[in-house]
Formats: sequence, C-alpha cells, structure tokens
Amino acid sequence: DADVTQTPRNRITKTGKRIMLECSQTKGHDRMYWYRQDPGLGLRLIYYSFDVKDINKGEISDGYSVSRQAQAKFSLSLESAIPNQTALYFCATSDRTSGGLPGGETQYFGPGTRLLVL
Amino acid sequence: AQKVTQAQTEISVVEKEDVTLDCVYETRDTTYYLFWYKQPPSGELVFLIRRNSFDEQNEISGRYSWNFQKSTSSFNFTITASQVVDSAVYFCALSANSGAGSYQLTFGKGTKLSVIP
Repeated sequence: DADVTQTPRNRITKTGKRIMLECSQTKGHDRMYWYRQDPGLGLRLIYYSFDVKDINKGEISDGYSVSRQAQAKFSLSLESAIPNQTALYFCATSDRTSGGLPGGETQYFGPGTRLLVL
Repeated sequence: AQKVTQAQTEISVVEKEDVTLDCVYETRDTTYYLFWYKQPPSGELVFLIRRNSFDEQNEISGRYSWNFQKSTSSFNFTITASQVVDSAVYFCALSANSGAGSYQLTFGKGTKLSVIP
C-alpha cells in the first residue's frame, strides 16, 4: 500500500463549488504539505503543517484553506473554486528528525490529484 | 529569497546517449539542501537524491550521477547510457531558510527529458 494517499485522484467541478482534497499518510511523519503544479511552473507551496496545531501559509495560499485533523491527515479546501485553480495538486510529508540540520528532511509525495474547474 | 533555475525546458536524446540536466540555485544561506525529483508520465514525484551544502562530493548511483559545485552554485544531474524509462520531467529543488527559521522547498520549473528508442 502507498505510504501517502490522496483522494480523489481526479475531480471535475464547477466554478463556485466548494471542494475538499484529502491526504493521508502511514509514514508516521509529523510534517505535511500541499503543493500545486501548473504546466511550466514547477511546484508551488500552498500550505504546510509541522504538527496538528501548527498551520502555515505558503507562497500561494489565497483561495485555499487547510485542516490537519490528525497527524496522519491533512485536507485542502477550495471554498469557491475558480478556473485558474485547475492544476495538479500534491500532498507531501516529511520527518522533522530525519534531515540532520534544519531544512534537510526529504519530502515524500503522494500520487497527486488532477483538478479541473469549469 | 531562494531561486532555482533549470534553463533546459526540454531535452531529447537517442537511447544510450549520455545527458546532463542543469540546475543553478540562488540563496544567501550557508546551510542548505539540494534535491532532485523525477516525475514520470504517470505523474507521481519520485525522490532521487539529497545533498547538503557542506558535502561537495559527487554522487553516483548506477547510471545516475550528480555534480555539486558551490563555486558555480550548480547541482547538475547526468544520466549515462539513457534508456526509454528515463523519459520524465526532472525537478531540482532547494531547501533554505526562508525567514524566521522556516525552511521551504523551492522547485525549479523542471526539465522534460525524452529518450527516443
């Protein structure tokens, strides 16, 4: 079984709808992240969480919200979807204690969710 | 601010050729980490390597090798005797202090490698 799972894998929605993307992990990692990937732009950080009570905005958090329901679960919500939120969304996890010096931990990614907003 | 530049948007090679993917980074930090990830056509992101700023030794893993040069702020990736299965988008990424002790991973825009049989 995959260590990091994302549901749904594909989603089509309409402008103005609220949707939630979910991420679960069995790696026992404390840190979780949400990224979006757009063609030709690489990955950009939306939100990250270093533990259940610690939520931080990333580079492009406008229009998104998150919830860390448990150490293993991190959800991303689009309150009112718009077409320019069409993208591939990735969840990632890392272990704070694994990287040696700060910032050194490796992030492991889920399979991604393809979202199309019409 | 951190920045990663992958100047090669797309590269095509014939199978068995060697290919080098370039990565140039910018950071003011003296302690940082560099990563390479592979994204095959199926879409998932696969971790390949991590290197810290204090370790300039080159790394070799099978047909893959990495050349880290702090003097030129580069962390280049070479695939020897390329195979069709190497066809993917490759991302270079930098983890450095983005302020107040917070480290974030900054990705380059990726290089799409196509290996032609």
